[in-house]
Amino acid sequence: AQKITQTQPGMFVQEKEAVTLDCTYDTSDQSYGLFWYKQPSSGEMIFLIYQGSYDEQNATEGRYSLNFQKARKSANLVISASQLGDSAMYFCAMREGPHYGQNFVFGPGTRLSVLP
Amino acid sequence: DTAVSQTPKYLVTQMGNDKSIKCEQNLGHDTMYWYKQDSKKFLKIMFSYNNKELIINETVPNRFSPKSPDKAHLNLHINSLELGDSAVYFCASSGDRANYGYTFGSGTRLTVV
Repeated sequence: AQKITQTQPGMFVQEKEAVTLDCTYDTSDQSYGLFWYKQPSSGEMIFLIYQGSYDEQNATEGRYSLNFQKARKSANLVISASQLGDSAMYFCAMREGPHYGQNFVFGPGTRLSVLP
Repeated sequence: DTAVSQTPKYLVTQMGNDKSIKCEQNLGHDTMYWYKQDSKKFLKIMFSYNNKELIINETVPNRFSPKSPDKAHLNLHINSLELGDSAVYFCASSGDRANYGYTFGSGTRLTVV
């Protein structure tokens, strides 16, 4: 079974509007971490935001926020005021367990295109 | 200063050759990884090393062998390259806090012809 599901292979958004990228996850661990990464066309992987399973508040980093719904096992990324430079692949990832050495499992990604 | 550097960035080689990709991190992280990103952009763990010791070795052909001379370096050697090995290979490292994401290298695009 897929541990990380991203149901939107591709998304379009108008510049300056907000967009939500979906991510659902599957784990039986109580302690885990959820991450979002951006991969622009240049290919590098850029860390955006982190949410711990015990964090009570949704994480925010600038224009990025994570809508964490633990009971639903979802960790959607919200990008406010989209910019042309936000066009990229976005990956949701999960680290299971409390150990920092555990590897991440990545979702299949969502390609976001921001329209002028 | 590049935090995680991997070389080369591009590698084109013929089937059957042996090649290496080098990775170095200057972040003082204890754990390093190799991931493979296929043509559909799917990222899959290959290896994970913690303080020079192998802790994860996913099902990859034994033609792939990681080598970690010290905790700042994790190299990937590939023997007898096949067409299906063509992909982007990412090195990454992570620190000792739960909220540390990976820091990725810039990737190596391997093309086997």
